[in-house]
Amino acid sequence: DGGITQSPKYLFRKEGQNVTLSCEQNLNHDAMYWYRQDPGQGLRLIYYSQIVNDFQKGDIAEGYSVSREKKESFPLTVTSAQKNPTAFYLCASRGPPGLELFFGEGSRLTVL
Amino acid sequence: QKEVEQNSGPLSVPEGAIASLNCTYSDRGSQSFFWYRQYSGKSPELIMSIYSNGDKEDGRFTAQLNKASQYVSLLIRDSQPSDSATYLCAVNRDTGGFKTIFGAGTRLFVKA
Repeated sequence: DGGITQSPKYLFRKEGQNVTLSCEQNLNHDAMYWYRQDPGQGLRLIYYSQIVNDFQKGDIAEGYSVSREKKESFPLTVTSAQKNPTAFYLCASRGPPGLELFFGEGSRLTVL
Repeated sequence: QKEVEQNSGPLSVPEGAIASLNCTYSDRGSQSFFWYRQYSGKSPELIMSIYSNGDKEDGRFTAQLNKASQYVSLLIRDSQPSDSATYLCAVNRDTGGFKTIFGAGTRLFVKA
């Protein structure tokens, strides 16, 4: 079945460690996105990519990095520079043909 | 001013009633508009999309768009307890690639 796979679903890390969250899609979508969600809040855009080897910063890119070496994959690294990394991270992709986002199941990161 | 604003709620309605959810956006260049439903601990799922002024109906859901007033709404008829969730309003801006901005969401409770 087509969809977006995020891994791991749950991740615990110590402060100061870098963490990489995986996002893979088999929808043949061009655009991919990373959002962060804090409890009781909406989604905030971290990074997005319209095509392979190109990506743009979103509204809260500081402390994060991404790569887009393949159309199917858009991993997110949460670096030690991110001051408050504990959150629910959502990866999404967009067609064509539609304009809506399709989401993975999310990765919940807890920094101890 | 936030780009996309929603009343955080909670909005509580009795089973069978109409739930009315509202959203305003600040960028007049916004081109497409979406409502996503998010159950607690899960990822968002698309409920409705709307691209032109007026109403769009899909089953028990009706989306309304008024670009002059920069206002989007979602009506849920015959509300069911299973509709209890957070509803996220989202807006696409074309920045050379579509950037989707989310509101903070409105929590809806449908009482049986």
